[in-house]
Amino acid sequence: ETGVTQSPTHLIKTRGQQVTLRCSSQSGHNTVSWYQQALGQGPQFIFQYYREEENGRGNFPPRFSGLQFPNYSSELNVNALELDDSALYLCASTTSGNSGELFFGEGSRLTVL
Amino acid sequence: KNEVEQSPQNLTAQEGEFITINCSYSVGISALHWLQQHPGGGIVSLFMLSSGKKKHGRLIATINIQEKHSSLHITASHPRDSAVYICAVPPLSGGGADGLTFGKGTHLIIQP
Repeated sequence: ETGVTQSPTHLIKTRGQQVTLRCSSQSGHNTVSWYQQALGQGPQFIFQYYREEENGRGNFPPRFSGLQFPNYSSELNVNALELDDSALYLCASTTSGNSGELFFGEGSRLTVL
Repeated sequence: KNEVEQSPQNLTAQEGEFITINCSYSVGISALHWLQQHPGGGIVSLFMLSSGKKKHGRLIATINIQEKHSSLHITASHPRDSAVYICAVPPLSGGGADGLTFGKGTHLIIQP
């Protein structure tokens, strides 16, 4: 039990649609990062939020966007879904940026048809 | 960007065997994470270490900063240890610009 909850756990969308994935972190975890993990690959960094502002971004297009809220929850939004967006999306929270212990959610598995 | 290499990619062993998984990285870091991912996806943090050795139950993690190398050992392996083990390193600047860099993982299967 990591104290990080993601929803939904599974979902299916069609190409061109939009999706919102949610992550609820532990109280006090002011840093949250999102990762995309394609089947058989390691996670790839999407972006990171610190105190409700994006403070780092990986090599993902602008149709991947996020929000972080004061209650330690966050969202990942993906617009204009493409087939290659099918993946497991993981959020991870920490109190200390990338040098602290990480707490991962179980992930949201997105399938785009 | 740091390059993270793990070996072996796949490992099948018998219950009770001593397991070693290796991770090497290309640029000096402040800390390294060992993570465990079970089928279905959830990732659990096993260790975060910046020097020496850490032990938790049957798991031992070591790191050699000079050689840019870390190992994860499992003693008296058990079928429930079957999972993907991933090492990950923070960005070079310590900030959020690049996020963690992950190895591709070692898929471990422990047979009864």
